[in-house]
Amino acid sequence: ILNVEQSPQSLHVQEGDSTNFTCSFPSSNFYALHWYRWETAKSPEALFVMTLNGDEKKKGRISATLNTKEGYSYLYIKGSQPEDSATYLCAFPNAGNNRKLIWGLGTSLAVNP
Amino acid sequence: AAGVIQSPRHLIKEKRETATLKCYPIPRHDTVYWYQQGPGQDPQFLISFYEKMQSDKGSIPDRFSAQQFSDYHSELNMSSLELGDSALYFCASSLRGAGTKNEQYFGPGTRLTVT
Repeated sequence: ILNVEQSPQSLHVQEGDSTNFTCSFPSSNFYALHWYRWETAKSPEALFVMTLNGDEKKKGRISATLNTKEGYSYLYIKGSQPEDSATYLCAFPNAGNNRKLIWGLGTSLAVNP
Repeated sequence: AAGVIQSPRHLIKEKRETATLKCYPIPRHDTVYWYQQGPGQDPQFLISFYEKMQSDKGSIPDRFSAQQFSDYHSELNMSSLELGDSALYFCASSLRGAGTKNEQYFGPGTRLTVT
């Protein structure tokens, strides 16, 4: 059974703080790792698709790194803003033919002004 | 670029009524997923279809059914609606297959309110 775990479950930071959270996934049969940002009552937004060990991707103040050998990815937010408040989800396609995404439960980030 | 289209965007039904939600995937995407997000809750995976066949089943109640049609659009049919069915229902589509990363693109959601 594949398991994708995210930590912490929730996070409260002050505006301007930098923060990071973790996604752990099975390191065997790695295919790709997805990060999504999901604001309440809005559609989830795809942030990154990461495929190579050592990958580092950046989108504005948000960046992510990938370690496929040890099975983890970090998402960093630099200088958090209130509009960054959302749930950040990672997802891992399984190794089967259907490539179903196995979702983590997310890290809920609240940025206080 | 074309995105995932969901209709209707808002729906109000009474208890025990039936509702049908529609999802039109991104052109050439072959996989559709349905998710339910209740107020203040994490999104829950309901069901998915690949090439018009049910692919995976999550926490979809027996009162709900879904299908994917020949044009790849999907419909989620919900019967005997209960108050607890009030939620945002998201549809996502992806292109599944060798060489793809199965990135899911989400529609804007349908907000269902059961009174």
